[in-house]
Amino acid sequence: ETGVTQTPRHLVMGMTNKKSLKCEQHLGHNAMYWYKQSAKKPLELMFVYSLEERVENNSVPSRFSPECPNSSHLFLHLHTLQPEDSALYLCASSQATNRRVATNEKLFFGSGTQLSVL
Amino acid sequence: AQKITQTQPGMFVQEKEAVTLDCTYDTSDQSYGLFWYKQPSSGEMIFLIYQGSYDEQNATEGRYSLNFQKARKSANLVISASQLGDSAMYFCAMSAHQGGKLIFGQGTELSVKP
Repeated sequence: ETGVTQTPRHLVMGMTNKKSLKCEQHLGHNAMYWYKQSAKKPLELMFVYSLEERVENNSVPSRFSPECPNSSHLFLHLHTLQPEDSALYLCASSQATNRRVATNEKLFFGSGTQLSVL
Repeated sequence: AQKITQTQPGMFVQEKEAVTLDCTYDTSDQSYGLFWYKQPSSGEMIFLIYQGSYDEQNATEGRYSLNFQKARKSANLVISASQLGDSAMYFCAMSAHQGGKLIFGQGTELSVKP
């Protein structure tokens, strides 16, 4: 059982569809993240949840809606996406204390969901 | 503003030789962390090594070492005795202000030749 599991691995959706990405971590961490990795661009932080509370929303369009029901699960709900949203979406987790993550805490990543929007 | 720069889009190295991947950073914070991650074709980002801004010794993890030059704001990754399985994308990243919110560079694609 890997530390951070993401499903599905691949997703193709039309611009009018609604879908969800799922992330589950088995590391006992209490902070979870969504990152977007587009071709030819650095990874971009989208959302941060610490102790199940959203602590960061990095100017992400409202067509992306995160949900963190507990410290082990993180979802990214997608609706009316655009073709430029096609990318690899990576989930990560780490340990936080009092909603703060220390600068030396490493992130553990899943394998990502490769999303294609047609 | 914080920034990570990796100037080598692609690198080739012969198997069993050492290779250095460059990384420079920019931050006004005194306390920060520098990370290197490896991303094979499977997509997963794998943590390799960490260096804290106050660490006086260069970090080492097995065949990986981090050449930290604080005055030059560089944090180069050195891989010794390259193996075919080292072929992957390598990302340098920095955490500042608050950990967890990593800022990544563009990445370097390393190819190890037999």
